[in-house]
Amino acid sequence: NAGVTQTPKFQVLKTGQSMTLQCAQDMNHNSMYWYRQDPGMGLRLIYYSASEGTTDKGEVPNGYNVSRLNKREFSLRLESAAPSQTSVYFCASSLENTGELFFGEGSRLTVL
Amino acid sequence: QQQVKQSPQSLIVQKGGISIINCAYENTAFDYFPWYQQFPGKGPALLIAIRPDVSEKKEGRFTISFNKSAKQFSLHIMDSQPGDSATYFCAAHYTGAGSYQLTFGKGTKLSVIP
Repeated sequence: NAGVTQTPKFQVLKTGQSMTLQCAQDMNHNSMYWYRQDPGMGLRLIYYSASEGTTDKGEVPNGYNVSRLNKREFSLRLESAAPSQTSVYFCASSLENTGELFFGEGSRLTVL
Repeated sequence: QQQVKQSPQSLIVQKGGISIINCAYENTAFDYFPWYQQFPGKGPALLIAIRPDVSEKKEGRFTISFNKSAKQFSLHIMDSQPGDSATYFCAAHYTGAGSYQLTFGKGTKLSVIP
């Protein structure tokens, strides 16, 4: 039982490049989330998907897009990366709107 | 923007001591208060959680104390061990319809020294 799997684990981009972070969960959860973690800032919600077919903005959505591909998969896309997007990105899932989130191990992104 | 204020930012405790982390919230609609534990290089993991209808919840060496009138809650780690060294996040959540945004505190880095 893998839980929440994120790829890639590490990525270095140049300013202006694009990339997609992939996330998949095998727990049959309805809701999925993308957070970013920066030193001293805690965890900030970028986008979430309450259920398959829906996506909504979180606290810091600017510069990102998401796709809920199916119930298992939720991807995060940076169309034109900026140094301010250097961060550790976490995908999470939950069965319903319970507040009990299961996190992946994170994707460390550096934008030069 | 709803906030959860967490303190201290960092904490150093001797092995066997008690670690205490405090959080305060503003929105009285919050009805679920989890604590997450994060080890370096890993994602956060749910540690313990409480609902506002109880004042205390204990799981092993970890206890949440909840003060509804003061809108504060805290995590107590008894007999702290070096293996407890991690970053701890408090959070608050409204489990009602349409609300999916878990509000996190900014985290406390706990170091337990032998």
